[in-house]
Order: sequence, then structure tokens, then C-alpha cells
Amino acid sequence: EDKVVQSPLSLVVHEGDTVTLNCSYEVTNFRSLLWYKQEKKAPTFLFMLTSSGIEKKSGRLSSILDKKELFSILNITATQTGDSAVYLCAGDNYGQNFVFGPGTRLSALP
Amino acid sequence: DVKVTQSSRYLVKRTGEKVFLECVQDMDHENMFWYRQDPGLGLRLIYFSYDVKMKEKGDIPEGYSVSREKKERFSLILESASTNQTSMYLCASRPRGVYSGNTIYFGEGSWLTVV
Repeated sequence: EDKVVQSPLSLVVHEGDTVTLNCSYEVTNFRSLLWYKQEKKAPTFLFMLTSSGIEKKSGRLSSILDKKELFSILNITATQTGDSAVYLCAGDNYGQNFVFGPGTRLSALP
Repeated sequence: DVKVTQSSRYLVKRTGEKVFLECVQDMDHENMFWYRQDPGLGLRLIYFSYDVKMKEKGDIPEGYSVSREKKERFSLILESASTNQTSMYLCASRPRGVYSGNTIYFGEGSWLTVV
């Protein structure tokens, strides 16, 4: 059975801290790994990773995939209060559906 | 921009009532999904559909049914609502066979409370 595991499930940090969120996956017919940020409504897309070892960056956020060890990390540097959200990791099993992890709830305090 | 619209954002229903959650997408996507989201459990797939009148069970289909009579519309039905179906329901769509950046699009969510 496909599954995605995220850790930690929740995290409290202060502004300026660097945060690392973890995602491990077991997905048959794996195609890609996606990260989403969810505040109070629909998840918004952050990254899609298909190749091992290639870092993707967007501002203070970055992510990388290790297809040999079946995990990905999402890094946030210089955390701001606006980064407070649930971060979801999902495995794409070749277009059938997305398998989501439980999410990591990040609280960034002033 | 792709739009996935969930017409009911907040509902309160009584135990035993029949509940319809409607979802419409405007980008001619073949695949549509219904998820429920509960704290600590992430998004769990209830049903998905890859074409009109086609449906597949997801991970937690019990207590739910779906209808896809038109390509743009995917309805989730709770035949007899129960309190354990209180949750946030997310509809999503994606095109078939397209491999591009972000290929799944979410609606805004429907918050259902069953009392």
C-alpha cells in the first residue's frame, strides 16, 4: 500500500530560524514528489521534484529529492510568521492519484 | 487560470440527512478527486473519477458515493450523514497525461459539520 510519512507532525519556531521538514515515501510507479503549503483553505503548490539531487528554490524555500533513499526535505530559511501553515508532501503515482502525507504544522512565532 | 469551485463552503447537517457536495472545474480535466482532511491525517482520498460516469474507490469510500454525469462536475454524496463525517472536504482536478509543473488543482474546501 502506498504511503507518505512526514516528520515532525508539528513544529514551533521563532522568526529567523531555519526549518527542515522531512518526507519519506513508498509509492508504486513513483513519478514525482510534490510539496504544498496550506493555510486556511486549499493547498497551494510549492515544488515538484522528479530527479534526485537537484535542489529547487523559491525565495527562502528550497527542496530536494533522494530517490534512492525515498525521501525529500523542504527547507525554510529566515522563517517569517507568514510561513505558519501546514506543509503537505505528496507522491504522484503516475497519474492515478496523489498520496498525501499527514502534513507538518509549522508555527512561526514573532 | 484553472478554477475548481466548491459551491458549499460551510454546511451544518443533522445525523441521517443526505448531503450533496458539488464540485465544478472549468479546464476540461479528465480526472477529478474528492479528499477529506482531518487534523493529523492529511488528505485522504475518498473517490476519484477519470472520465464521465467512471469512478474508482479511494482509501476511505465507506459511507460515501459519487456522481460524474458531466465532465466538469463531480459530486460527493453522503447518503446518511454521521457525526464521524464531520470534516473538511477538498475537491481537486487534473488533466490526464500532462506532465507539467503543478498538475493538480484544488477547490477552496467545504467544511461540513454533522450534528
